[in-house]
Amino acid sequence: KQEVTQIPAALSVPEGENLVLNCSFTDSAIYNLQWFRQDPGKGLTSLLLIQSSQREQTSGRLNASLDKSSGRSTLYIAASQPGDSATYLCAGIYNQGGKLIFGQGTELSVKP
Amino acid sequence: GAVVSQHPSRVICKSGTSVKIECRSLDFQATTMFWYRQFPKKSLMLMATSNEGSKATYEQGVEKDKFLINHASLTLSTLTVTSAHPEDSSFYICSADGRPPDTQYFGPGTRLTVL
Repeated sequence: KQEVTQIPAALSVPEGENLVLNCSFTDSAIYNLQWFRQDPGKGLTSLLLIQSSQREQTSGRLNASLDKSSGRSTLYIAASQPGDSATYLCAGIYNQGGKLIFGQGTELSVKP
Repeated sequence: GAVVSQHPSRVICKSGTSVKIECRSLDFQATTMFWYRQFPKKSLMLMATSNEGSKATYEQGVEKDKFLINHASLTLSTLTVTSAHPEDSSFYICSADGRPPDTQYFGPGTRLTVL
């Protein structure tokens, strides 16, 4: 069964700290993996998409990596800010045209 | 670019009524749209895949007669919750398949509360 898991479910850090969010998946034959941000009561905003042939993607203070052999992806946030507080979801697609399989999300709180 | 809208953003209805939620891709065409349901503090659960001009594909355990999906054009898909009950109260989110391929763009969601 193809599953995506995120640990921890919640994380609280002081402003300015660098942090890593973890995502693991059960099937290494992943097609692509996306990281999303969701603010309370809102939809999803796509942050980064990593194709299976890639190892990482960067956007501003965000860096996402993909290690298919270990079944893991990480989202690195540098110099965290209170505005980064949100739930971060990772999701994988296992074949072209396939459905997104979501992790449970990590609720991040950055304290000023 | 790649903006998806949903209407309404929130709806409160009485038990037994039907509610229609619209999902529109505003600046691109989407052959495929997806409908998700999200419970509080939980992840997104795919309900169905909506294909323009053909019947929707429902995930296991989702009642197709309860959740009617119509993908009438390349920019509009609708989800109708028929004879809604309190247990149907949830956050419903749609997405549209855009470019590059297998990239989904998500709508802002619709909060449904059934009294």
